[in-house]
Amino acid sequence: NAGVTQTPKFQVLKTGQSMTLQCAQDMNHEYMSWYRQDPGMGLRLIHYSVGAGITDQGEVPNGYNVSRSTTEDFPLRLLSAAPSQTSVYFCASSRQGGPGEQYFGPGTRLTVT
Amino acid sequence: AQKITQTQPGMFVQEKEAVTLDCTYDTSDQSYGLFWYKQPSSGEMIFLIYQGSYDEQNATEGRYSLNFQKARKSANLVISASQLGDSAMYFCAMREGPGGSTLGRLYFGRGTQLTVWP
Repeated sequence: NAGVTQTPKFQVLKTGQSMTLQCAQDMNHEYMSWYRQDPGMGLRLIHYSVGAGITDQGEVPNGYNVSRSTTEDFPLRLLSAAPSQTSVYFCASSRQGGPGEQYFGPGTRLTVT
Repeated sequence: AQKITQTQPGMFVQEKEAVTLDCTYDTSDQSYGLFWYKQPSSGEMIFLIYQGSYDEQNATEGRYSLNFQKARKSANLVISASQLGDSAMYFCAMREGPGGSTLGRLYFGRGTQLTVWP
């Protein structure tokens, strides 16, 4: 099992550009989430999904879109990048019926100039 | 108000000693879960230990134990016999509610940087 994979590992964008951060998991987990990690702030939830076709907003959803067309994939879209979106982005998944421990991907370090 | 508070930005411990990392939480739910994660300098997030709000015993996983004091709303992580490889950032997190739709969302604290010295 590869677990949770994220691509790319690093990305530099100019203000106003759009891009999609990819996330995939091969554990057949129902729940998937996106977090951002900023220095001194811990991890904050952007969007999450409880299953294919179902998504909901987290604490900091503005500027991001998500969709979940399959159980395996949960891409995060930045529509018009801003310097405030410079961060490390983590995708995570958890299984149905468990206590909720999430398994994280390796992260994507995004810089917006 | 923050749901998870970690008041120790940094902690230092000598190798082979025990260390306690503090975590307090805020929720009005009766059913919830508490988690600790480790983030080494390489950046990955590693799940360490879980405590459910209805669990009567403190959770233990190897050298990690969770000191759960429900009335005080605290969930401190105790690492026994510290090793140099324990040097990392440690995050406390909470799931509110009994599960179901809340399984996809965790609230994290700001973390405690632990340094283990020889």
